[in-house]
Amino acid sequence: SQTIHQWPATLVQPVGSPLSLECTVEGTSNPNLYWYRQAAGRGLQLLFYSVGIGQISSEVPQNLSASRPQDRQFILSSKKLLLSDSGFYLCAWSDPLDRGIGYGYTFGSGTRLTVV
Amino acid sequence: GQNIDQPTEMTATEGAIVQINCTYQTSGFNGLFWYQQHAGEAPTFLSYNVLDGLEEKGRFSSFLSRSKGYSYLLLKELQMKDSASYLCAVRDQWANAGKSTFGDGTTLTVKP
Repeated sequence: SQTIHQWPATLVQPVGSPLSLECTVEGTSNPNLYWYRQAAGRGLQLLFYSVGIGQISSEVPQNLSASRPQDRQFILSSKKLLLSDSGFYLCAWSDPLDRGIGYGYTFGSGTRLTVV
Repeated sequence: GQNIDQPTEMTATEGAIVQINCTYQTSGFNGLFWYQQHAGEAPTFLSYNVLDGLEEKGRFSSFLSRSKGYSYLLLKELQMKDSASYLCAVRDQWANAGKSTFGDGTTLTVKP
């Protein structure tokens, strides 16, 4: 079965510090991968998505970047965090062959980032 | 662009039925999803509609009208554990990597 791992679960970082969040998927090949951010009491905002190694699409211009160095690894980074980067970060994967079956996303457990 | 609207909060009584509505205006459509999210946790998949009509799955049902840009999630025989946020999401076409746009969620509180 497929599993998705995301770490760390919580993170408190000072303004101006770097960030690296990692997500890995097991049990599937060539997944579509996504990074979302959720502000308190709000829905999910798509940050980046990837359909393959080295292929990154950015949805929102911001202080973050993403990379996919391996098929099942997705990394979210920042060189210098801002206070506004605080939030709940979620990695998700979907099966690119799911065309109509409708399994949707499977999410990682999330990282709660607080920038202080 | 994508625009998804759903009520912010709803309250219902244990054992009752509740309907959570979602309206959407999107440039691409390849299915509508409902997710459940308990406080502090990641969302989990509940239901999927791509054709008009009702999909039933145990205590949960979801309805879609593509012409009206409208969906609802129906929860029957409410239990206390159903207290959560319910997210409506529209999936874009596969040419756009099947990315989904989410509404802000409806926080459902089930009272005894």
